[in-house]
Amino acid sequence: DSGVTQTPKHLITATGQRVTLRCSPRSGDLSVYWYQQSLDQGLQFLIQYYNGEERAKGNILERFSAQQFPDLHSELNLSSLELGDSALYFCASSRDPHQPQHFGDGTRLSIL
Amino acid sequence: QQQVKQSPQSLIVQKGGISIINCAYENTAFDYFPWYQQFPGKGPALLIAIRPDVSEKKEGRFTISFNKSAKQFSLHIMDSQPGDSATYFCAASGDTDKLIFGTGTRLQVFP
Repeated sequence: DSGVTQTPKHLITATGQRVTLRCSPRSGDLSVYWYQQSLDQGLQFLIQYYNGEERAKGNILERFSAQQFPDLHSELNLSSLELGDSALYFCASSRDPHQPQHFGDGTRLSIL
Repeated sequence: QQQVKQSPQSLIVQKGGISIINCAYENTAFDYFPWYQQFPGKGPALLIAIRPDVSEKKEGRFTISFNKSAKQFSLHIMDSQPGDSATYFCAASGDTDKLIFGTGTRLQVFP
């Protein structure tokens, strides 16, 4: 158990809808990262927050947004969902930037 | 270049054998190279990591070998066990923390 908690584990929705994925980092970790894992793209970095502030951005679509709250949990919002958004979405956390990242077990998003 | 190239795509090893997975990178700004192990239905779990100031790091049966001049690093799993059957990812990061992952290697260890 990595100590990173992601909810929900599975999410099934339709095209055009909006969903919110939640991540609680390990106790004491200030940095949260979001990654997408799909069969064709592999594991891709989306975005990083550190202590509530956006720190780095990857290949995140404009339809996707994230935030980190004062209690350090993070949410990833995906809107106007398309079939191609079906993937596993992982959250990772680390004590500080440049420290090892520990991953949660992910949210499996299926778009029908 | 932000890519990390990983090979082989799949690997079959007999129990007790040595599993070797290789990765190569282009970006000389990368300074952190972790390996992750992923079981079906689970997230990637950090296995072992290395920084470029050393050429080898060993933790139990797992060893990372790092060749800075060739821009290559590899994972060796000694005395491979059926419980090691999983997908292994190499990764790299530099001044930003974002991990650039390899494409993964599916390891199967047969008894």
